[in-house]
Amino acid sequence: KAGVTQTPRYLIKTRGQQVTLSCSPISGHRSVSWYQQTPGQGLQFLFEYFSETQRNKGNFPGRFSGRQFSNSRSEMNVSTLELGDSALYLCASSSGQGESYGYTFGSGTRLTVV
Amino acid sequence: AQSVTQPDIHITVSEGASLELRCNYSYGATPYLFWYVQSPGQGLQLLLKYFSGDTLVQGIKGFEAEFKRSQSSFNLRKPSVHWSDAAEYFCAVAFSGGYQKVTFGTGTKLQVIP
Repeated sequence: KAGVTQTPRYLIKTRGQQVTLSCSPISGHRSVSWYQQTPGQGLQFLFEYFSETQRNKGNFPGRFSGRQFSNSRSEMNVSTLELGDSALYLCASSSGQGESYGYTFGSGTRLTVV
Repeated sequence: AQSVTQPDIHITVSEGASLELRCNYSYGATPYLFWYVQSPGQGLQLLLKYFSGDTLVQGIKGFEAEFKRSQSSFNLRKPSVHWSDAAEYFCAVAFSGGYQKVTFGTGTKLQVIP
């Protein structure tokens, strides 16, 4: 079956702009989680959506937001980009019956803010 | 709060040698434990997971991990390392029960020398 698809793979944005990243989970998976990965901070949890509802949220400012559609596809949005937002953004799909079942990750979107 | 410690930032082993990557967790009850591997520029791939039962867990690519409750550890092992195993390895923990976010360790970079 198809894996987790993240688009685009690479993005270059200017400080102050906003960006939208997309994630299509594995068919049948209802949970989508987002992580930010940077060399200094490692993998940091952004938020998790299950059946179109945000179920968990990490410690990120309100500039970071997300949503999930009825087909389980998810988007995350970052407004007023800062240089420190440069990172690999990873989406993880799971059955939703507890992340204990294990994530399947996408290949990520590499965001560079200049 | 749950936490994961990977004490080794970087490990170098010779091809064919055995490997052990360390992971310690902090959590009041039995957690769900995972090991993931990440190749450069890619997402994370699940190697193995522990929920309950047999404390020695077999995973993909010839990896195994042993859960030791008394030491709060979940170390990853492989008897003979291949050059293709060079990557970054992440240990992760989630609360057992309900839905929850997964917390990742800071990762261990594995270098394999011929």
